[in-house]
Amino acid sequence: KQEVTQIPAALSVPEGENLVLNCSFTDSAIYNLQWFRQDPGKGLTSLLLIQSSQREQTSGRLNASLDKSSGRSTLYIAASQPGDSATYLCAVRPQGAQKLVFGQGTRLTINP
Amino acid sequence: ETGVTQTPRHLVMGMTNKKSLKCEQHLGHNAMYWYKQSAKKPLELMFVYSLEERVENNSVPSRFSPECPNSSHLFLHLHTLQPEDSALYLCASSPDRGFYYGYTFGSGTRLTVV
Repeated sequence: KQEVTQIPAALSVPEGENLVLNCSFTDSAIYNLQWFRQDPGKGLTSLLLIQSSQREQTSGRLNASLDKSSGRSTLYIAASQPGDSATYLCAVRPQGAQKLVFGQGTRLTINP
Repeated sequence: ETGVTQTPRHLVMGMTNKKSLKCEQHLGHNAMYWYKQSAKKPLELMFVYSLEERVENNSVPSRFSPECPNSSHLFLHLHTLQPEDSALYLCASSPDRGFYYGYTFGSGTRLTVV
């Protein structure tokens, strides 16, 4: 059974810092991995999608990497801003399954 | 606006009520999903519909009844719920056969059972 773990559960940093969020998964048989952002009480906004054959994806100040063989992904946020404060969720799509398996998220707070 | 619209945004219902959640997608996708998000738990898949046919029911109690009349609309009918069913219910869609596509989520319905 695929399980996804995100560490740390919460992170608080001053504005302007570069930071890394971690995601690990137990079964490397995946189609892709997706990072989402969730603001309090709101839905999920897709940030980056990495296919199993890819090593990384970039969008603006965000960079996500994928090491499928070791079951790890990282989300790098450059020059953090207070508006980046949210919960960040990692999800994998297992091979043969039409669903996403989610981690519990990392709650990020950027202090002005 | 993600292209997936959920209504209502908030719902308070008694344990004996019957209500429905609605999801509509304007992305041309063929698969739709219901997820439940409870406090301090990962998102849990409830139902999957592919081309209007239910392909997965993740051991969800019968007090939750999904309906997918066409590939653009998905409903979740609720009856005789329990307080522990209070949660954020999220709808998502994706291209059906394209395993390499991502998912698009709606803004959710915050359900409170009293």
